Amino acid sequence: ELKVEQNPLFLSMQEGKNYTIYCNYSTTSDRLYWYRQDPGKSLESLFVLLSNGAVKQEGRLMASLDTKARLSTLHITAAVHDLSATYFCAVEPQDWAGGTSYGKLTFGQGTILTVHP
Amino acid sequence: KAGVTQTPRYLIKTRGQQVTLSCSPISGHRSVSWYQQTPGQGLQFLFEYFSETQRNKGNFPGRFSGRQFSNSRSEMNVSTLELGDSALYLCASSLGQGIDEQYFGPGTRLTVT
Repeated sequence: ELKVEQNPLFLSMQEGKNYTIYCNYSTTSDRLYWYRQDPGKSLESLFVLLSNGAVKQEGRLMASLDTKARLSTLHITAAVHDLSATYFCAVEPQDWAGGTSYGKLTFGQGTILTVHP
Repeated sequence: KAGVTQTPRYLIKTRGQQVTLSCSPISGHRSVSWYQQTPGQGLQFLFEYFSETQRNKGNFPGRFSGRQFSNSRSEMNVSTLELGDSALYLCASSLGQGIDEQYFGPGTRLTVT
């Protein structure tokens, strides 16, 4: 069974600081997604990482994927209050026939990020 | 392009009742996946439909069922509701083929009393 673990689960940061959220997963996959969720809201797609070594950046967020280590990171640079939210990574397992997982994403527990002035 | 829509947005039901939730995917998307989100269990996959066929199913009891119509709209049904079914139910749509990103709807907040 695929397991996805994020750490830390809670992150309290000061504005202007940098930090990294880690996402480890337990089985072969080269498809990893990062989502943001604001309280009471749905999931907003941040990044889609589809190959080993993939790196994507949007504003103060940068995500990377190391499929050999089964690890993805979400790096926050110079945090601002607007980044306060819960961040999820999700893995789409690769079936052995090389096909798709048919819509099944396995999510990490989520990291609750709070940025203080 | 309109996003994924879900109805109703909020629902209060009593234990033992049943409920039907609806999801309309993004135009052109043929795959709809359903997820349950609770504070204790997090986000869990329920099932996925593509072209009216269930292609994948998570580890939920048979009280949870779904279907998809020819226009790709999907419904999920929960029978004999339990208190533990209180959750945010999210649906996501995608093209359903190849490397495929899922786009999530706003969710239906179900409260079982």
